[in-house]
Amino acid sequence: ETGVTQSPTHLIKTRGQQVTLRCSSQSGHNTVSWYQQALGQGPQFIFQYYREEENGRGNFPPRFSGLQFPNYSSELNVNALELDDSALYLCASSFDRAPPSSGANVLTFGAGSRLTVL
Amino acid sequence: RKEVEQDPGPFNVPEGATVAFNCTYSNSASQSFFWYRQDCRKEPKLLMSVYSSGNEDGRFTAQLNRASQYISLLIRDSKLSDSATYLCVVLWGNTPLVFGKGTRLSVIA
Repeated sequence: ETGVTQSPTHLIKTRGQQVTLRCSSQSGHNTVSWYQQALGQGPQFIFQYYREEENGRGNFPPRFSGLQFPNYSSELNVNALELDDSALYLCASSFDRAPPSSGANVLTFGAGSRLTVL
Repeated sequence: RKEVEQDPGPFNVPEGATVAFNCTYSNSASQSFFWYRQDCRKEPKLLMSVYSSGNEDGRFTAQLNRASQYISLLIRDSKLSDSATYLCVVLWGNTPLVFGKGTRLSVIA
């Protein structure tokens, strides 16, 4: 069983540029959630994709967008990068939209993509 | 008031010590609670769920106090390998997980 993989692991961009981050979900998982973790903060929910449709969105502007593909892999796109977008971007996969409870349907995180915006 | 609040630490404790972290949450409708562990520059990993009756997993004990809206994590006989950031996580309804900022623990030899 393969885990969640993310690419790239590290990247540096400048303000105003665009970035695409990629995530392959764990085998058997059909739901992908994206989180942003700034330095010294906990992960903040960006959005979730279930069967190629957005299924919930956090308090992030429209320049944060995403896609999910038929194989359940996903992309996070950020346009017009700002300095405050510098963070660790975490992808987590789970089975179905059902929320985790009592340890069931646990979110499995990838190692993250560390984005630095200069 | 933040949805999930934790003391950021750092907690610096000697090996073998007992250490406890608290976490408070604002939404009384919260249903599920978890502790995640995050090593430096790594992804969060589930440490344990928190059950209403309290639960134990080896040296780790989690407690839930719904009346006061807080959860706790107790680590006994601390090991150097316990050094990490511990994230309190809360869930209500069909919403995504809400993470606290984390509490940093350093266990010193």
